[in-house]
Amino acid sequence: DAGVIQSPRHEVTEMGQEVTLRCKPISGHDYLFWYRQTMMRGLELLIYFNNNVPIDDSGMPEDRFSAKMPNASFSTLKIQPSEPRDSAVYFCASSGGKEQYFGPGTRLTVT
Amino acid sequence: SQQGEEDPQALSIQEGENATMNCSYKTSINNLQWYRQNSGRGLVHLILIRSNEREKHSGRLRVTLDTSKKSSSLLITASRAADTASYFCATDENYGQNFVFGPGTRLSVLP
Repeated sequence: DAGVIQSPRHEVTEMGQEVTLRCKPISGHDYLFWYRQTMMRGLELLIYFNNNVPIDDSGMPEDRFSAKMPNASFSTLKIQPSEPRDSAVYFCASSGGKEQYFGPGTRLTVT
Repeated sequence: SQQGEEDPQALSIQEGENATMNCSYKTSINNLQWYRQNSGRGLVHLILIRSNEREKHSGRLRVTLDTSKKSSSLLITASRAADTASYFCATDENYGQNFVFGPGTRLSVLP
């Protein structure tokens, strides 16, 4: 398996623009997690899904953030409108048990 | 809420020396995990220890768990320059499926 795949790897956008991050989990995993990592706040869980259903979205910072998982092999995290404080590395991880497998991350810069 | 807290925040040692990192947590857990993150990469799972285990080994890694003190330690023996990374503990807060990550310990192994 290729592991968790995220795209794009880098995204630079202007404030106010819509940003969509994509994730393909490992086949067969039934849990998918979205994290945000910054120097100031560390690694924060934004939302996680079980069998494509959102279970806990309490970490989603604002209504500007939304996540979907239309099927077992694809998830998106959308920010609209984006703000400079959204600049961070966003990780997707999947799990079939307790161990989580992380993707390489998307480095988002909002100017 | 910050469940796991690693200590120290940063550690610098010479190649060949042992490195010890500690993690403290607040709530009851079923499992505690340790992850490594190399600069610019996603997290990689190292080891999982269950609440009924006291010690676990994997290669040069040794993890201990003291549930009475709500603490764990990660020992890396005979460190190598390639061990330079950030190390995170993660706990399943209140027996949940999502794991809460601490702020991490930055380990530098000098050649």
